Amino acid sequence: DAGVTQSPTHLIKTRGQQVTLRCSPKSGHDTVSWYQQALGQGPQFIFQYYEEEERQRGNFPDRFSGHQYPNYSSELNVNALLLGDSALYLCASSLVGQRYVKTQYFGPGTRLLVL
Amino acid sequence: AQSVAQPEDQVNVAEGNPLTVKCTYSVSGNPYLFWYVQYPNRGLQFLLKYITGDNLVKGSYGFEAEFNKSQTSFHLKKPSALVSDSALYFCAVRPGASGNTGKLIFGQGTTLQVKP
Repeated sequence: DAGVTQSPTHLIKTRGQQVTLRCSPKSGHDTVSWYQQALGQGPQFIFQYYEEEERQRGNFPDRFSGHQYPNYSSELNVNALLLGDSALYLCASSLVGQRYVKTQYFGPGTRLLVL
Repeated sequence: AQSVAQPEDQVNVAEGNPLTVKCTYSVSGNPYLFWYVQYPNRGLQFLLKYITGDNLVKGSYGFEAEFNKSQTSFHLKKPSALVSDSALYFCAVRPGASGNTGKLIFGQGTTLQVKP
Protein backbone atom coordinates (compact mmCIF):
# COMPACT_ATOMS: atom_id res chain seq x y z
CA ASP A 1 0.00 0.00 0.00
CA ALA A 2 1.73 3.15 -1.23
CA GLY A 3 1.89 6.05 1.16
CA VAL A 4 1.83 9.72 0.27
CA THR A 5 4.41 10.57 -2.37
CA GLN A 6 5.78 13.96 -3.33
CA SER A 7 7.97 15.22 -6.14
CA PRO A 8 10.53 16.54 -6.52
CA THR A 9 12.41 15.89 -3.28
CA HIS A 10 14.57 19.00 -3.62
CA LEU A 11 14.33 22.13 -5.71
CA ILE A 12 16.41 25.28 -6.13
CA LYS A 13 14.85 28.39 -7.64
CA THR A 14 15.69 32.07 -7.85
CA ARG A 15 13.60 35.00 -6.65
CA GLY A 16 10.71 35.86 -8.94
CA GLN A 17 10.46 32.41 -10.48
CA GLN A 18 7.49 30.10 -10.28
CA VAL A 19 7.44 26.55 -8.90
CA THR A 20 5.07 23.57 -9.02
CA LEU A 21 5.16 20.82 -6.42
CA ARG A 22 3.29 17.56 -6.80
CA CYS A 23 1.60 15.14 -4.43
CA SER A 24 -0.05 11.75 -4.79
CA PRO A 25 -2.25 10.80 -1.85
CA LYS A 26 -2.26 7.54 0.03
CA SER A 27 -4.32 4.87 -1.69
CA GLY A 28 -8.01 5.33 -0.92
CA HIS A 29 -7.68 8.92 0.30
CA ASP A 30 -9.59 11.75 -1.34
CA THR A 31 -8.44 14.87 0.49
CA VAL A 32 -5.10 16.62 0.19
CA SER A 33 -3.71 19.32 2.46
CA TRP A 34 -0.54 21.34 1.98
CA TYR A 35 1.69 22.70 4.73
CA GLN A 36 4.79 24.87 4.79
CA GLN A 37 7.46 24.07 7.36
CA ALA A 38 10.13 26.73 7.73
CA LEU A 39 13.41 25.75 9.35
CA GLY A 40 12.98 25.25 13.08
CA GLN A 41 9.22 25.77 12.95
CA GLY A 42 6.11 23.66 13.04
CA PRO A 43 4.16 23.13 9.80
CA GLN A 44 1.79 25.92 8.78
CA PHE A 45 -1.43 25.08 6.94
CA ILE A 46 -1.61 26.46 3.38
CA PHE A 47 -4.85 24.96 2.01
CA GLN A 48 -6.89 21.82 1.60
CA TYR A 49 -8.45 20.30 -1.50
CA TYR A 50 -11.42 17.98 -1.74
CA GLU A 51 -13.49 17.15 -4.82
CA GLU A 52 -11.14 19.28 -6.89
CA GLU A 53 -11.99 22.42 -4.94
CA GLU A 54 -10.12 24.45 -2.36
CA ARG A 55 -12.10 23.87 0.85
CA GLN A 56 -10.11 25.79 3.39
CA ARG A 57 -7.18 28.17 3.24
CA GLY A 58 -4.63 29.32 5.76
CA ASN A 59 -3.01 32.72 6.03
CA PHE A 60 -1.01 32.60 2.80
CA PRO A 61 -1.04 35.11 -0.07
CA ASP A 62 -2.61 34.50 -3.45
CA ARG A 63 0.84 33.69 -4.84
CA PHE A 64 0.13 30.25 -3.40
CA SER A 65 -2.39 28.32 -5.45
CA GLY A 66 -3.27 24.71 -5.97
CA HIS A 67 -5.14 22.17 -7.93
CA GLN A 68 -6.59 18.73 -7.39
CA TYR A 69 -7.13 16.28 -10.22
CA PRO A 70 -9.89 13.65 -10.61
CA ASN A 71 -7.46 10.95 -9.42
CA TYR A 72 -7.06 12.99 -6.18
CA SER A 73 -3.44 13.97 -6.85
CA SER A 74 -2.62 17.59 -6.22
CA GLU A 75 -0.27 20.40 -7.14
CA LEU A 76 0.95 23.38 -5.20
CA ASN A 77 2.02 26.38 -7.27
CA VAL A 78 3.94 29.33 -5.94
CA ASN A 79 4.43 32.41 -8.11
CA ALA A 80 6.90 35.28 -7.76
CA LEU A 81 9.08 33.37 -5.33
CA LEU A 82 10.56 35.22 -2.36
CA LEU A 83 13.54 34.24 -0.25
CA GLY A 84 11.11 33.64 2.60
CA ASP A 85 9.38 30.89 0.62
CA SER A 86 12.38 28.63 1.28
CA ALA A 87 10.97 25.78 3.34
CA LEU A 88 9.95 22.15 3.43
CA TYR A 89 6.56 21.75 1.75
CA LEU A 90 4.53 18.89 3.11
CA CYS A 91 1.53 17.22 1.57
CA ALA A 92 -0.90 15.29 3.72
CA SER A 93 -3.76 13.08 2.62
CA SER A 94 -6.85 11.87 4.43
CA LEU A 95 -10.40 10.70 3.92
CA VAL A 96 -13.05 13.32 4.34
CA GLY A 97 -15.51 12.34 7.00
CA GLN A 98 -18.29 14.07 8.82
CA ARG A 99 -18.72 11.40 11.41
CA TYR A 100 -15.17 10.41 12.17
CA VAL A 101 -12.10 12.54 12.49
CA LYS A 102 -9.72 11.25 9.92
CA THR A 103 -5.97 11.21 10.42
CA GLN A 104 -3.78 13.14 8.01
CA TYR A 105 -0.84 11.14 6.69
CA PHE A 106 2.16 13.08 5.48
CA GLY A 107 4.53 12.64 2.59
CA PRO A 108 8.30 13.09 2.84
CA GLY A 109 8.11 16.68 1.65
CA THR A 110 9.76 18.82 -1.01
CA ARG A 111 12.58 21.04 0.16
CA LEU A 112 12.53 24.33 -1.73
CA LEU A 113 15.46 26.71 -1.64
CA VAL A 114 14.98 30.18 -3.12
CA LEU A 115 18.19 32.08 -3.94
CA ALA B 1 -6.59 32.81 18.87
CA GLN B 2 -6.22 29.10 18.35
CA SER B 3 -2.78 27.82 19.21
CA VAL B 4 -0.64 24.94 20.40
CA ALA B 5 2.29 25.37 22.75
CA GLN B 6 5.16 22.99 23.33
CA PRO B 7 7.00 24.69 26.17
CA GLU B 8 10.24 22.73 25.87
CA ASP B 9 12.51 23.11 22.87
CA GLN B 10 14.41 20.01 23.92
CA VAL B 11 13.91 17.12 26.30
CA ASN B 12 16.85 14.97 27.38
CA VAL B 13 16.33 11.55 28.89
CA ALA B 14 18.47 8.47 29.53
CA GLU B 15 17.62 5.26 27.72
CA GLY B 16 15.27 3.11 29.77
CA ASN B 17 13.85 6.05 31.71
CA PRO B 18 10.31 7.34 31.23
CA LEU B 19 9.83 10.35 28.99
CA THR B 20 7.25 13.12 28.79
CA VAL B 21 6.89 15.70 26.03
CA LYS B 22 4.50 18.48 26.99
CA CYS B 23 1.76 20.09 24.93
CA THR B 24 -0.96 22.59 25.79
CA TYR B 25 -3.59 23.99 23.45
CA SER B 26 -6.07 26.79 23.09
CA VAL B 27 -8.97 26.24 20.69
CA SER B 28 -12.69 26.81 20.55
CA GLY B 29 -14.99 23.84 20.90
CA ASN B 30 -13.90 20.30 21.58
CA PRO B 31 -10.41 19.71 20.23
CA TYR B 32 -9.09 16.80 18.28
CA LEU B 33 -5.46 16.26 19.27
CA PHE B 34 -2.58 14.57 17.49
CA TRP B 35 1.07 13.72 17.97
CA TYR B 36 3.48 13.34 15.07
CA VAL B 37 7.19 12.50 14.97
CA GLN B 38 9.69 13.78 12.41
CA TYR B 39 13.06 12.20 11.73
CA PRO B 40 15.79 14.21 9.96
CA ASN B 41 14.97 14.99 6.33
CA ARG B 42 11.70 13.10 6.58
CA GLY B 43 8.02 13.96 6.67
CA LEU B 44 5.79 13.61 9.69
CA GLN B 45 4.79 10.19 10.99
CA PHE B 46 1.51 9.82 12.86
CA LEU B 47 1.83 8.50 16.42
CA LEU B 48 -1.61 8.83 18.02
CA LYS B 49 -4.74 10.91 18.33
CA TYR B 50 -7.42 11.82 20.85
CA ILE B 51 -10.95 12.32 19.60
CA THR B 52 -13.19 11.42 22.51
CA GLY B 53 -13.54 8.84 25.25
CA ASP B 54 -10.75 7.52 27.45
CA ASN B 55 -8.31 10.27 28.37
CA LEU B 56 -5.33 7.94 27.97
CA VAL B 57 -4.62 7.18 24.34
CA LYS B 58 -2.19 4.50 23.19
CA GLY B 59 -0.32 4.83 19.92
CA SER B 60 2.54 3.51 17.85
CA TYR B 61 5.97 2.42 19.14
CA GLY B 62 4.84 2.25 22.76
CA PHE B 63 3.87 5.90 23.01
CA GLU B 64 0.79 7.10 24.84
CA ALA B 65 -0.72 10.48 25.59
CA GLU B 66 -2.94 11.80 28.33
CA PHE B 67 -5.69 14.30 27.57
CA ASN B 68 -6.52 16.70 30.41
CA LYS B 69 -9.42 18.97 29.58
CA SER B 70 -9.18 21.16 32.69
CA GLN B 71 -5.51 21.87 32.04
CA THR B 72 -5.96 21.93 28.24
CA SER B 73 -2.99 19.60 27.90
CA PHE B 74 -2.11 16.56 25.85
CA HIS B 75 1.27 15.31 27.04
CA LEU B 76 3.10 12.54 25.18
CA LYS B 77 4.59 9.78 27.32
CA LYS B 78 6.55 6.56 27.08
CA PRO B 79 7.42 4.32 30.03
CA SER B 80 10.90 3.38 28.78
CA ALA B 81 12.77 5.50 26.23
CA LEU B 82 14.90 4.09 23.43
CA VAL B 83 17.82 5.78 21.68
CA SER B 84 15.88 5.33 18.45
CA ASP B 85 13.10 7.56 19.87
CA SER B 86 15.42 10.55 19.40
CA ALA B 87 13.60 12.82 16.95
CA LEU B 88 11.48 15.96 16.64
CA TYR B 89 7.98 15.66 18.06
CA PHE B 90 5.01 17.81 17.10
CA CYS B 91 1.71 18.23 18.86
CA ALA B 92 -1.19 19.33 16.65
CA VAL B 93 -4.82 20.26 17.19
CA ARG B 94 -7.75 20.26 14.84
CA PRO B 95 -10.38 22.63 16.14
CA GLY B 96 -13.69 20.89 16.55
CA ALA B 97 -15.86 23.76 15.34
CA SER B 98 -18.37 22.79 12.69
CA GLY B 99 -17.36 23.59 9.17
CA ASN B 100 -13.71 22.95 9.83
CA THR B 101 -12.52 20.59 7.19
CA GLY B 102 -9.36 19.44 8.85
CA LYS B 103 -6.80 22.20 9.21
CA LEU B 104 -4.16 21.16 11.74
CA ILE B 105 -2.50 23.72 13.98
CA PHE B 106 0.97 22.62 15.03
CA GLY B 107 3.20 23.48 17.93
CA GLN B 108 6.79 24.54 17.39
CA GLY B 109 8.12 21.08 18.07
CA THR B 110 10.21 19.47 20.81
CA THR B 111 13.49 17.71 20.13
CA LEU B 112 13.77 14.52 22.14
CA GLN B 113 17.31 13.35 22.84
CA VAL B 114 17.68 9.89 24.37
CA LYS B 115 21.18 9.16 25.63
CA PRO B 116 22.49 5.57 25.89
